[in-house]
Amino acid sequence: GAVVSQHPSWVICKSGTSVKIECRSLDFQATTMFWYRQFPKQSLMLMATSNEGSKATYEQGVEKDKFLINHASLTLSTLTVTSAHPEDSSFYICSARDLWGHGNEPTNEKLFFGSGTQLSVL
Amino acid sequence: GQQVMQIPQYQHVQEGEDFTTYCNSSTTLSNIQWYKQRPGGHPVFLIQLVKSGEVKKQKRLTFQFGEAKKNSSLHITATQTTDVGTYFCGIQGAQKLVFGQGTRLTINP
Repeated sequence: GAVVSQHPSWVICKSGTSVKIECRSLDFQATTMFWYRQFPKQSLMLMATSNEGSKATYEQGVEKDKFLINHASLTLSTLTVTSAHPEDSSFYICSARDLWGHGNEPTNEKLFFGSGTQLSVL
Repeated sequence: GQQVMQIPQYQHVQEGEDFTTYCNSSTTLSNIQWYKQRPGGHPVFLIQLVKSGEVKKQKRLTFQFGEAKKNSSLHITATQTTDVGTYFCGIQGAQKLVFGQGTRLTINP
């Protein structure tokens, strides 16, 4: 199956620093990638939709200046947590969407997830 | 926006017992997907259901899509310790997938 590579797997940083997380689709092109945040024992909370070549779409309550998303190519999206604070500590997961189907309109989709990044801000 | 309710939140069973998780939406869905996340891991796609009343099986897992396409279930027959994890349903929102709250399955060997 398709593979999505996410790194780093974990990062510990000081408060006030910025952290960049990369998400790569290794064997398919993903025009759309998604960034999620997950707290322990909770569901995945969608933060933003990353679209190749255009601005990301942020979910309500997610600060776009805090969580910078860049999707410069069909295989790479990055999430930068700027001026990180302890409350930003969380598990961040990316996913890439693979679309397929018959005719002009894709009718099937599947999300492939990266392995996640555990961010700890001291 | 699109929302889906998933129940139960937790389920603890003895190994060998069956397990079912349910997802319900107030609106008709175009499709529904199921994912499994092992402890400490990332979600892995299990299946997508598209047709009304659809039933699909993967070994001991049975997935159903309701006739009205508003609900879905995942049933595991005779659970094994490898089934441990959190099961999420995902529904199609506006160009994005919205996940249910997840059902965390734990198993007593």
